[in-house]
Amino acid sequence: QAGLTQPPSMSKGLRQTASLTCTGNNNNVGNEGAAWLQHHQGHPPKLLSYRNNNRPSGISERLSASRSGNTASLTITGLQPEDEADYYCSAWDSSLSAWVFGGGTKLTVL
Amino acid sequence: QVQVVESGGGVVQPGRSLRLSCAASGFTFSVYAWHWVRQAPGKGLEWVAIIFNDGSKKYADSVKGRFSISRDNSENTVYLQMNSLRSEDTAVYYCASGELADWGQGTLVTVSS
Repeated sequence: QAGLTQPPSMSKGLRQTASLTCTGNNNNVGNEGAAWLQHHQGHPPKLLSYRNNNRPSGISERLSASRSGNTASLTITGLQPEDEADYYCSAWDSSLSAWVFGGGTKLTVL
Repeated sequence: QVQVVESGGGVVQPGRSLRLSCAASGFTFSVYAWHWVRQAPGKGLEWVAIIFNDGSKKYADSVKGRFSISRDNSENTVYLQMNSLRSEDTAVYYCASGELADWGQGTLVTVSS
């Protein structure tokens, strides 16, 4: 099953801004949007943004999600050491009748 | 308090079967869809299956015909029956609620002879 496309890695400095992208098509991201998850190894993934770009309660206001056409974006401002993690996007694909994930972006905070 | 707990993982030989369970509490369980998502060693997250609140089910191509998802609303539990297991099914298996908002800690499945 075709997944969503994410850059495999990104490096940013402390207190800088990271913009992560996730590209899909009209059947998934372009249709109902993408959710964003943060994953620290050894822990369960954590939802950062619902498909409608709303943040769950308790998620920092430093994180914001948006969508333009078939590309979803997650912006993290004022990067902190704890932001270093793997970030995944995920969406329902109406053509495949399946959820799809991106390959993940490993964010390094220097 | 929301809690999701997976169980049933272990070491199993290729071709054998295993059933995973996912017990949820603190939810109105029956109104939610539930997913199984896995992560193989060194790999990213891979969606496995979903069961909707009406009982309908969808599967990833990689497990279709071998895995079966089910739910028991009276027990607030979701199951994943895994048959004809292969080495490439080795992974940590997570259970997650419908919009991926709540996750368990995961259970490790190792398929090896």
